Amino acid sequence: GQNIDQPTEMTATEGAIVQINCTYQTSGFNGLFWYQQHAGEAPTFLSYNVLDGLEEKGRFSSFLSRSKGYSYLLLKELQMKDSASYLCAVKDSNYQLIWGAGTKLIIKP
Amino acid sequence: NAGVTQTPKFRVLKTGQSMTLLCAQDMNHEYMYWYRQDPGMGLRLIHYSVGEGTTAKGEVPDGYNVSRLKKQNFLLGLESAAPSQTSVYFCASSYGDSPSGANVLTFGAGSRLTVL
Repeated sequence: GQNIDQPTEMTATEGAIVQINCTYQTSGFNGLFWYQQHAGEAPTFLSYNVLDGLEEKGRFSSFLSRSKGYSYLLLKELQMKDSASYLCAVKDSNYQLIWGAGTKLIIKP
Repeated sequence: NAGVTQTPKFRVLKTGQSMTLLCAQDMNHEYMYWYRQDPGMGLRLIHYSVGEGTTAKGEVPDGYNVSRLKKQNFLLGLESAAPSQTSVYFCASSYGDSPSGANVLTFGAGSRLTVL
């Protein structure tokens, strides 16, 4: 079967750095996505990785290792508005998106 | 730009009742999707469409039907609602898909459905 694993919940302090991990086992790989979802709202796109390495976009960075089936989302200079769920999704060999259950990030002052 | 609009936002049904969720997008996207989101689970694809007049089954299509008569609209129907269909439903759209491309989805705000 296909599987995406993420921690259920994480807590971090405002101004700090947090790393949210995602491991996957899918039939094929055609890219990995990170989406942010605030409570009661729609998911919004954060990042896309298809090659190994780090993609940086402002305070957010996403890393991919295809050989390890592993990605992480790094959030720097945390702000209260970063409190949200972070969804990892992998596009498999059929170009279908397989979604993780999401990581709820709680930011404390 | 409205983006992706879903109606209704909330609905309570009794078992056996039928209803239709409407999704409208104004971005001229070819692809449209219906997902459901349940606690502790990832988004699961119900049905999707790769263009006007086309529909295809996703991961969890049973109990649902869809239609895409116009490019901008994608309807999700429940013919006989069951408590297992209590969920939050998200519509999404995208320009299209290439095998190695970033097919970024734009989601609607969600429709919360409760079936008693």
